[in-house]
Amino acid sequence: EPEVTQTPSHQVTQMGQEVILRCVPISNHLYFYWYRQILGQKVEFLVSFYNNEISEKSEIFDDQFSVERPDGSNFTLKIRSTKLEDSAMYFCASRDSPNSYEQYFGPGTRLTVT
Amino acid sequence: DQQVKQNSPSLSVQEGRISILNCDYTNSMFDYFLWYKKYPAEGPTFLISISSIKDKNEDGRFTVFLNKSAKHLSLHIVPSQPGDSAVYFCAARENGQNFVFGPGTRLSVLP
Repeated sequence: EPEVTQTPSHQVTQMGQEVILRCVPISNHLYFYWYRQILGQKVEFLVSFYNNEISEKSEIFDDQFSVERPDGSNFTLKIRSTKLEDSAMYFCASRDSPNSYEQYFGPGTRLTVT
Repeated sequence: DQQVKQNSPSLSVQEGRISILNCDYTNSMFDYFLWYKKYPAEGPTFLISISSIKDKNEDGRFTVFLNKSAKHLSLHIVPSQPGDSAVYFCAARENGQNFVFGPGTRLSVLP
């Protein structure tokens, strides 16, 4: 069964460094999402992406964040200058059509900022 | 601003019995609801959905009930199995907006 994959599973970085989290959505899906979950807190929406552009973003998704679909298969989240409070699980999700609201999630990348 | 609430952080149920997970929301414009379950170290997995035009949707052991007037939905799992032990998230969206997740309820099904 097709699935969303994410790499790496765990990323440790120093405060102020740039990180890129990678996702490979399900191949025929058109809508892509990033969410994060700070330990012990709820899953929070960051950004949605469709037709090679951001369709919606939350207040969390500030100028330090960017997303890209560089090659038609990967979907990346970049954090330019990480802060301690960026430490969280980051989930990528995708869905296939405007008529289906079910999002399929990847296993997540645990980002630890020290 | 907790638009989606799951007031029980945890729930324990005996194997074979019914599990009832509750979710309340404040935004009357929400028109579509999802339930996800999440195992440790894995991403959320879609379980079942319901549109605001319905009050019930059933899929195998899982049934979701929606009470729009009370802004309340619930997920029933019957019979509960040990493999159902996970964190369950309710998510809701307003037309054209993205999903808002509740904080989750940890279900433990005891053998």
